[in-house]
Amino acid sequence: KQEVTQIPAALSVPEGENLVLNCSFTDSAIYNLQWFRQDPGKGLTSLLLIQSSQREQTSGRLNASLDKSSGRSTLYIAASQPGDSATYLCAAFLTGNQFYFGTGTSLTVIP
Amino acid sequence: DTEVTQTPKHLVMGMTNKKSLKCEQHMGHRAMYWYKQKAKKPPELMFVYSYEKLSINESVPSRFSPECPNSSLLNLHLHALQPEDSALYLCASSHLGQGGTEAFFGQGTRLTVV
Repeated sequence: KQEVTQIPAALSVPEGENLVLNCSFTDSAIYNLQWFRQDPGKGLTSLLLIQSSQREQTSGRLNASLDKSSGRSTLYIAASQPGDSATYLCAAFLTGNQFYFGTGTSLTVIP
Repeated sequence: DTEVTQTPKHLVMGMTNKKSLKCEQHMGHRAMYWYKQKAKKPPELMFVYSYEKLSINESVPSRFSPECPNSSLLNLHLHALQPEDSALYLCASSHLGQGGTEAFFGQGTRLTVV
């Protein structure tokens, strides 16, 4: 079974700082990797999808990269804002239409 | 329309009750999913439906019974639940196939079993 780990588990940064969230997966045979944001008690909001043939995707201040050979993905957030405070989850998409989630990173951006 | 709608948003039920959670999407997705999420934990996969047929059951207790009556609807029937089943239940949908299959999630049903 795919194991997906995120480091760090929690992160607290001052506003304006650039930061990197890490996601590691054990099975390199993934079809794609998706990053989500979750606010407390809410559902999941899709941020970025990286297909297995791609190496990175960008949306506004967010940039996600994927290295299948090393089993890693990173989410880069530029110029962080208090509104970015949330839990960030990565999910690996496998054959058989299975999404397996990482352990999550809880981000707090301090004004 | 990239929305997955879940109802109800909140549900409180006794251990002897029978209730159902509902999920609906109109994006033409033929894969639909149920996830369970406990506080401060990532979502855990419960069931996957592909072309309205159950394709994955992650060893979920039989007190949870999924149903996919058509390509737009997904239900989760609940019966004789335990307090430890209290959680956020999330529904998702995606296209089938390899790669590029972005998943869309609903806002969840917050279930409390008393």
